[in-house]
Amino acid sequence: NAGVTQTPKFQVLKTGQSMTLQCAQDMNHNSMYWYRQDPGMGLRLIYYSASEGTTDKGEVPNGYNVSRLNKREFSLRLESAAPSQTSVYFCASTAGGTYNSPLHFGNGTRLTVT
Amino acid sequence: AQKITQTQPGMFVQEKEAVTLDCTYDTSDQSYGLFWYKQPSSGEMIFLIYQGSYDEQNATEGRYSLNFQKARKSANLVISASQLGDSAMYFCAMFLPSGTYKYIFGTGTRLKVLA
Repeated sequence: NAGVTQTPKFQVLKTGQSMTLQCAQDMNHNSMYWYRQDPGMGLRLIYYSASEGTTDKGEVPNGYNVSRLNKREFSLRLESAAPSQTSVYFCASTAGGTYNSPLHFGNGTRLTVT
Repeated sequence: AQKITQTQPGMFVQEKEAVTLDCTYDTSDQSYGLFWYKQPSSGEMIFLIYQGSYDEQNATEGRYSLNFQKARKSANLVISASQLGDSAMYFCAMFLPSGTYKYIFGTGTRLKVLA
């Protein structure tokens, strides 16, 4: 079972460069999420998609854009990377809609912006 | 404000002993879910256990149990018979079905199991 697959695993960018983080899930989940994890700050929500065709901002959306390409895929784009975006990025999915649905996480992308 | 608080940045426990990781939450919603996740040094996030706000019994999953005290708004994770492989970061999270389907995470507790 693949679950949630994120690519790439590691990435180094220079300030001002752009990139897209890819995420795909094969569990037929409705909802997908992008989080960033920074030391001492837990996981903070960047964007989420409650269902195919919808996206909404989370706690820290500035500097990011997302696309829910279809039910399986939810990508995160950094248009002009900044050192403050150095972080570990997690994609997650859930069946959604009920409060007993745990998030299923990908293995994360470690991004460094120099 | 809707918030999860984990007040223990780090904990130590002797192998084979039990340990409690604290989690308090703040919400005025009546319906919510509480989750615990484990993040080993390899970095992945592993779902451990879930408790619903209407569940009357505390959740248990193997060596993990959730001590749910609704009036005190606490959802502590109890790990029994600790193993070296339990050394990891542990996150408490809350899901609120009203509104925008967001999960809120605490800042985590790093547990070190000593041999």
